[in-house]
Amino acid sequence: DTGVSQDPRHKITKRGQNVTFRCDPISEHNRLYWYRQTLGQGPEFLTYFQNEAQLEKSRLLSDRFSAERPKGSFSTLEIQRTEQGDSAMYLCASSPFTEAFFGQGTRLTVV
Amino acid sequence: QKEVEQNSGPLSVPEGAIASLNCTYSDRGSQSFFWYRQYSGKSPELIMFIYSNGDKEDGRFTAQLNKASQYVSLLIRDSQPSDSATYLCAALNSGGSNYKLTFGKGTLLTVNP
Repeated sequence: DTGVSQDPRHKITKRGQNVTFRCDPISEHNRLYWYRQTLGQGPEFLTYFQNEAQLEKSRLLSDRFSAERPKGSFSTLEIQRTEQGDSAMYLCASSPFTEAFFGQGTRLTVV
Repeated sequence: QKEVEQNSGPLSVPEGAIASLNCTYSDRGSQSFFWYRQYSGKSPELIMFIYSNGDKEDGRFTAQLNKASQYVSLLIRDSQPSDSATYLCAALNSGGSNYKLTFGKGTLLTVNP
């Protein structure tokens, strides 16, 4: 499968725990996006990488969220001290230039 | 706040009809526009994109762009029940080195057999 891969697909965690998600983009796509989506809403921009550089981070994010893309390949998104409001689908997308292609997402449930 | 606005619907059309989905955007720096289809519980799937004023056709789908009016639309001809999904409009501002992709909330389309 040469599409965008996200792991895990589902995560249930207790409030206050830290979680980390992984995204493997399509090979040679130098742009990578993270989005969060809740029921009935469109994807909400979280952050964007071009190669290994994080070029923009949403002002909506608190300091509990951090993302990395070492060596410009896979990316990780970490949420520290999770809250129930963090429950959502976390989507990763990669892009070679303009079009962005999404992975299957990681559904996070905070209990 | 740079936004993409869509009518949340639901939009209901009979099978075989033309479904018309609309989107407006506020950022005049947006240069490319995308339509995604999202089935319930799944991730968005790219249908087509457009960056020039006018129409772009791909099979049963036609995207229309009017930059002066800051308006984008998607027409689906010969609608099928399998087209029932949420359709997301997105705008890309590729000014400088930043390629930020902003989404609308989506329009729920139901095609009735």
